[in-house]
Amino acid sequence: GESVGLHLPTLSVQEGDNSIINCAYSNSASDYFIWYKQESGKGPQFIIDIRSNMDKRQGQRVTVLLNKTVKHLSLQIAATQPGDSAVYFCAENGGATNKLIFGTGTLLAVQP
Amino acid sequence: DAMVIQNPRYQVTQFGKPVTLSCSQTLNHNVMYWYQQKSSQAPKLLFHYYDKDFNNEADTPDNFQSRRPNTSFCFLDIRSPGLGDAAMYLCATENEKLFFGSGTQLSVL
Repeated sequence: GESVGLHLPTLSVQEGDNSIINCAYSNSASDYFIWYKQESGKGPQFIIDIRSNMDKRQGQRVTVLLNKTVKHLSLQIAATQPGDSAVYFCAENGGATNKLIFGTGTLLAVQP
Repeated sequence: DAMVIQNPRYQVTQFGKPVTLSCSQTLNHNVMYWYQQKSSQAPKLLFHYYDKDFNNEADTPDNFQSRRPNTSFCFLDIRSPGLGDAAMYLCATENEKLFFGSGTQLSVL
């Protein structure tokens, strides 16, 4: 079936560096994408979203890029901080189904 | 202030003993979801409500049931928990974006 997957299960970065977390999706009908951050023992927390009519959206220290041609989504975190350490999930809405499908998740480890 | 509240935070039950997890929301959203998340895995949708309309995922076991007596509250009932049902159970509401509760960590002994 359709799925969302991540290339890297673990990403280790130095504090202050920029982080890039990647995600591939396969459902071409998806028109809404979200990045979630999940800290240990907590529920997923919304970070940023993007609709398919955009290719870039910026938030505070975060940027999401969408490449519909290759069905690729990325999350960029500027000046990564220890508090950014968490598992990051991308998710897509599957188009008409309006049902959020989560990717596998990437563990971001920030080294001091 | 928490907008999606799940109780209890941790729940321990015995193999085969029915257990109920609860969720409440202060957002007045029509849509509520229950997800199951096992360790190091992505959340997996069990079912969702659009208002009172119940939508079960095709691969959700019959062992899992849900009730939504009103807009604010939603319950997850596990009729006969097995060891494989030990997981974090996440409740969420939707108004375009999903807002998650902190989850209930279920242990089955």
